[in-house]
Formats: sequence, C-alpha cells, structure tokens
Amino acid sequence: GQQLNQSPQSMFIQEGEDVSMNCTSSSIFNTWLWYKQDPGEGPVLLIALYKAGELTSNGRLTAQFGITRKDSFLNISASIPSDVGIYFCAGQGGSEKLVFGKGTKLTVNP
Amino acid sequence: DTAVSQTPKYLVTQMGNDKSIKCEQNLGHDTMYWYKQDSKKFLKIMFSYNNKELIINETVPNRFSPKSPDKAHLNLHINSLELGDSAVYFCASTWGGPSGNTIYFGEGSWLTVV
Repeated sequence: GQQLNQSPQSMFIQEGEDVSMNCTSSSIFNTWLWYKQDPGEGPVLLIALYKAGELTSNGRLTAQFGITRKDSFLNISASIPSDVGIYFCAGQGGSEKLVFGKGTKLTVNP
Repeated sequence: DTAVSQTPKYLVTQMGNDKSIKCEQNLGHDTMYWYKQDSKKFLKIMFSYNNKELIINETVPNRFSPKSPDKAHLNLHINSLELGDSAVYFCASTWGGPSGNTIYFGEGSWLTVV
C-alpha cells in the first residue's frame, strides 16, 4: 500500500525562526493536504494541493506539491508561539484512501 | 456551529464494557469516516461510509461496528472493550467519496479503557 514518510518527527525552534517540513511518498499522489492538530483538538486543514508544482500560501504558511508528485513540503515563516502543535501531511493517489504521515511535532520557544 | 461534532469527548470505561461514540456533520457531506489516533499520534483510517454504505473497512476487530442511520451521522459502537482500544477516535467527513476532496475532522473522542 501507499506509504508516507514525514520529517522531521519533531522540531524545537525559537520564536521568529522559519520552519520547514516535508513528506515523501513511495508512489504518485494526486492530492496533498496539510493539517495542524492543536493539543486536545482534531486536525484542522491548513492547505490543500491538487496539482503537481502547485505552490499555495495561507498567511505565513506555504506548501508545495512536488513536481514528481511524490513529495510535498510545508514552510512556516517567522514562527510564533501559537504555531506549536503537530503538523500532518496527507496524500491520496487515484481512488485510494487518504494516507497520513506520522506528524511533525513543533515546539516554539518564546 | 460545529461542522463535525462527536460525543462524548472523554470516555473512561472498564475492560469488557460496550460503548458508543456518536458523530454528526452539518456540512452536507456524503462521506464520513472514523479514524483512530494511537499514542504515537499516528492517524489511521478505520471505516468510511458513503451515502450510508460502507466503502472502506480496514483491518479492524469486529468488536468495532459502525452504523450510519443517515448520511449526516456515523456512530461507532465498540463491544467488549480492551486495554488496547484506548486511543483518540476522530470522526471526519467529506464529499464525493474518498477521492481527494478535503476531509474535515471532529474534535476527537478520548477513550481510556481501564
């Protein structure tokens, strides 16, 4: 089945720093999604990508659908304390179900 | 208004009990899911229903039985609870089947089996 590798597993950064995380797939995807999960809450969609090469921003967040269709990255610029949480990538190819990465836990030190 | 709502949010119960978690979505979606998040935060799909019909059933013990009375509701019943069932269960919904449309999650139900 399809597998997703998400890295890094965790990040500890200072407020104001930029953050980058990525996901790679063993097979081609048609859709990449990025979610954030706050402690005690459900995942919330941040950015959805539907086309290879697509680059989409949402405030300080930017995500790209890799040209090979096997990877995606999420960047957060000028991090703030409320950026803490777990970030999940999710991908889907064809009629397969959505597959989630294992998450990147982000800690931002003020 | 909460788009995908699930109850209860917290549930502590003894081994061997039977319990249910309810989910409702008011987004007009036709597809609903149950996901399980383990202690390592890994999200894994359990079931998916499209227009009340089961379309995805992962390798889940048959102690877990989903029921969809209509396309806005998908409940999860668990029989004979075991310690390993302790996890966070997320309901989610989308439209058009599991074909790439964005999925919206509920806030989760924290199940602890003691």
